[in-house]
Amino acid sequence: GAGVSQSPRYKVAKRGQDVALRCDPISGHVSLFWYQQALGQGPEFLTYFQNEAQLDKSGLPSDRFFAERPEGSVSTLKIQRTQQEDSAVYLCASRPGPAGDSYEQYFGPGTRLTVT
Amino acid sequence: LAKTTQPISMDSYEGQEVNITCSHNNIATNDYITWYQQFPSQGPRFIIQGYKTKVTNEVASLFIPADRKSSTLSLPRVSLSDTAVYYCLVGPPTDSWGKLQFGAGTQVVVTP
Repeated sequence: GAGVSQSPRYKVAKRGQDVALRCDPISGHVSLFWYQQALGQGPEFLTYFQNEAQLDKSGLPSDRFFAERPEGSVSTLKIQRTQQEDSAVYLCASRPGPAGDSYEQYFGPGTRLTVT
Repeated sequence: LAKTTQPISMDSYEGQEVNITCSHNNIATNDYITWYQQFPSQGPRFIIQGYKTKVTNEVASLFIPADRKSSTLSLPRVSLSDTAVYYCLVGPPTDSWGKLQFGAGTQVVVTP
C-alpha cells in the first residue's frame, strides 16, 4: 500500500523566500508529526496533529514556522523568510491513532531544504 | 523522556551478528524502549519495541536486562543492506502524543 509521501523531495530557496512543504500521510491515519533533521543528527520533533487539531507545536523553532492540516489529511509546513539555519531535511510521519502503546510511526522520505 | 547513550559507529562484516548497546540509566517505570533504522535519503523505519526481557521479530532481537538501564539491539547475520543509522529511543507510550526523541544514533557499516 501507499506510504507517507512528501513533496517536493528537494527544495532550494534563497534566503528570505517563503517555502511550503507538503505531506500526504497514510490514508486514515489520525496522527501526523513533523520533524527536522540536520545533517549528521537525529530527527527533532517540530509539531503534532491529531486529525485537524494541532495539539503540540512546542518544537517549532520560531514564529517563521507554521504548520496546518485543515481537513485532517494532507499537511503543509510553511517556513517564512527562510534563513540558512533552516537548511535541513524535513520529515513527516503518521500513525493510525492517537497516542497508544506503540511508538511505531511511518515516515516519509523527507524534503531536503537548502537555503542559499 | 529518558536520555540515551549509544556508540557513534560500529563496523561489521557480512554474515556477522551486530549488537548495539544503548544506555538509559534514567529510564522510568512506564518507559518503553524503541529502535529505529534509517537509510540514507530515507525517513526512519521502526524496527522493534520492548519493555523487559527479550523481544524478537523477523528483523531483530531486543534484549533488556532486569534493571532496564540498558538494552541491546541484535541484528543477526547482517548483509550490506543493513548499513544504516540505528536509533535507540526511550519514553512512555502516552507521553506527549507519542512524539519521538532521537539522539545521534549509531552508524553501522557492513562490508563484504
